[in-house]
Amino acid sequence: GAGVSQSPRYKVAKRGQDVALRCDPISGHVSLFWYQQALGQGPEFLTYFQNEAQLDKSGLPSDRFFAERPEGSVSTLKIQRTQQEDSAVYLCASSAPGLAAAGELFFGEGSRLTVL
Amino acid sequence: EDKVVQSPLSLVVHEGDTVTLNCSYEVTNFRSLLWYKQEKKAPTFLFMLTSSGIEKKSGRLSSILDKKELFSILNITATQTGDSAIYLCARFETSGSRLTFGEGTQLTVNP
Repeated sequence: GAGVSQSPRYKVAKRGQDVALRCDPISGHVSLFWYQQALGQGPEFLTYFQNEAQLDKSGLPSDRFFAERPEGSVSTLKIQRTQQEDSAVYLCASSAPGLAAAGELFFGEGSRLTVL
Repeated sequence: EDKVVQSPLSLVVHEGDTVTLNCSYEVTNFRSLLWYKQEKKAPTFLFMLTSSGIEKKSGRLSSILDKKELFSILNITATQTGDSAIYLCARFETSGSRLTFGEGTQLTVNP
C-alpha cells in the first residue's frame, strides 16, 4: 500500500481481555516502530524492529505487552489482560534504510484502544 | 530530567497571523531534532535539524536549532486554517532508534 496501514482503527475491550493490533508497513521499509499516545500527550516509544529482529523493546510498559514481526513485514502488538491505563492510541511507524538513521518516520493513523 | 518541553501547549490565532512554537530539551547528546505535524491521527514529518543556526524552510514553515541554548523553534507565517494541528517536537536519541516526543502544541487557526 501507499502508506502505513493499521487495524483495527478502533477497539473497545473489557478489562482483562487480550487484544492484538496489526501494522502493515510501507513496502520495503525494514525499520518498524510502535508508539503509544495517551490523550493530550506526545507519542511514547514502545519497541523497534529491524526486519524481523526486535532490536529495542525497552519502552514496553509491562510484560503484558508483546510485539512480533515474524517475517520482517507485518507486525502485531499484543496486549494481554488489558487494564484501563492501556487506553491510548497505538501508532505504528516505518522507515526506509537511511531515513530511519535520521529519525524520519512514516506513521500510520493508529489504533485507538479503549479499555472499559 | 530527560524531557522535551514544548510551549505554548495551545495557541489560537487568526488567519494571516505569524506563530512561533518553542521546543526545549536538556540532553545535549542526540542525533537530531525533528518536527512533526499531527492532524487527526498520523504525525507527518516536517523538518529534521542537526546543525545549530542553520534554518530549514518549506513554504511558510521554517525551523532552526540552537544547540548552545538547547532549543528549537518552528515558525509559521501567514497562517491558514489548514495549519490547525498538533505540532510535535522530538529528539532522536543517540543510542537505539527512539524518538522522545514533547507533549505537542495544539494550534488552532480561525478564519
